[in-house]
Parts: sequence; structure tokens; C-alpha cells
Amino acid sequence: AQSVTQPDIHITVSEGASLELRCNYSYGATPYLFWYVQSPGQGLQLLLKYFSGDTLVQGIKGFEAEFKRSQSSFNLRKPSVHWSDAAEYFCAVATSGTYKYIFGTGTRLKVLA
Amino acid sequence: NAGVTQTPKFRILKIGQSMTLQCTQDMNHNYMYWYRQDPGMGLKLIYYSVGAGITDKGEVPNGYNVSRSTTEDFPLRLELAAPSQTSVYFCASSNGQGISGNTIYFGEGSWLTVV
Repeated sequence: AQSVTQPDIHITVSEGASLELRCNYSYGATPYLFWYVQSPGQGLQLLLKYFSGDTLVQGIKGFEAEFKRSQSSFNLRKPSVHWSDAAEYFCAVATSGTYKYIFGTGTRLKVLA
Repeated sequence: NAGVTQTPKFRILKIGQSMTLQCTQDMNHNYMYWYRQDPGMGLKLIYYSVGAGITDKGEVPNGYNVSRSTTEDFPLRLELAAPSQTSVYFCASSNGQGISGNTIYFGEGSWLTVV
């Protein structure tokens, strides 16, 4: 069965520091991969997505993610974190054919001033 | 620029009561979903629909029902509410048309408390 693992429940970084949020998936074929961000009391906003092609994808708000097939990973990165990036981040995988989306349990990011 | 609209945003129910969470989307998307979000558990799929008149169970369907009479609307009904259904509910939709259509768009959520 498909699954998504986000091993870090909480991450704290200082403003201006770099960030990497980990995501590992389990899926037999090439998946469709997504990162979403959820601010407190809000819905989920799409940050970026990978369907095919270039394995390094750029998203909104200065985020990027790299698809590594050999490691079954799709880690999210940002070179310099801003206080407004404090939120919960979800990685998701979509299965072709059934169009079901499987979400990880989320990583809550705290940013120190 | 509505996208996916859910109502109500907040609701308190008593045990045993029933209610319907409304969801409508104006993007002409074929695929619609209901998720629940519990702390530390991520999002769990309750039901989904691939088009008007077609619905299917997700991971956690017990205690819920859905219908899809139109492309735009996908209401979620809670029958005999239980404390275990206290959660945040998200409706979502996607185009599902080809590779670029596989982005899922979310509503702002409905916070439900069962007491």
C-alpha cells in the first residue's frame, strides 16, 4: 500500500537559517508528489508539486523540493527561513488511476526570531 | 475566485445529533474529497467522488455518508454524532484531467466538536 512518512514531527530553526523537511514515500510506480503548507486555522495551500521531468522543482514562497527516486524521498528546502514560514507542512503522494491522495502526518515548523 | 467553499466553519454538536457539512466548488472539477484532520495524524480520507453520481469510501468512512448529485456539490453527512468525530474536516477537489490536473485544492476547513 502507498504511504508517506514525515519523520520529523516538530522542527525549530532560527530566522535566516536554512531548512530541510524530510518526506519519504512508498509507491511502486513514479508518484505524483506534493508539498502543502497549513497556517494555523487555515486550509492547505499548495507549495509545489512533482509529476515528471526535472527532479528539482521550484515552488512558491522560495521553497524547492528534490525528487530522489533511489531514496524514495521528496525533501522540501528553503535557503533562508522567514518568521512567516512558521506553519505545518504536509507531504502528499497521489496515485495515478484512482486519484487518491495520501498525506503524511505533517511537520510543524517553529521559527525563532 | 471562490475555489472550494465549505460551510459551516465551526459547529458544536451533541452526541447523537446529525448534521451535514456543505461543500461546493466552482472549478468544474470531477474529483472531490472529504478529509478529516486529527492532531499528529495528518489527513485521513473519508469519502471521495470521481464524478456526479459516483462516490466511494476512503480510509475512515464509518459514521459518515456522502452524495454527489451535481458536479459542484459534495455534502458530508454525520449521522448519530460521536465524540470520536470531533475533528477538522476538509473538502477538496481536483481536475483529474491528465497529468497536470492532479493538483488537489482545499477548502478552509470546518471545525466540528461533538460533546
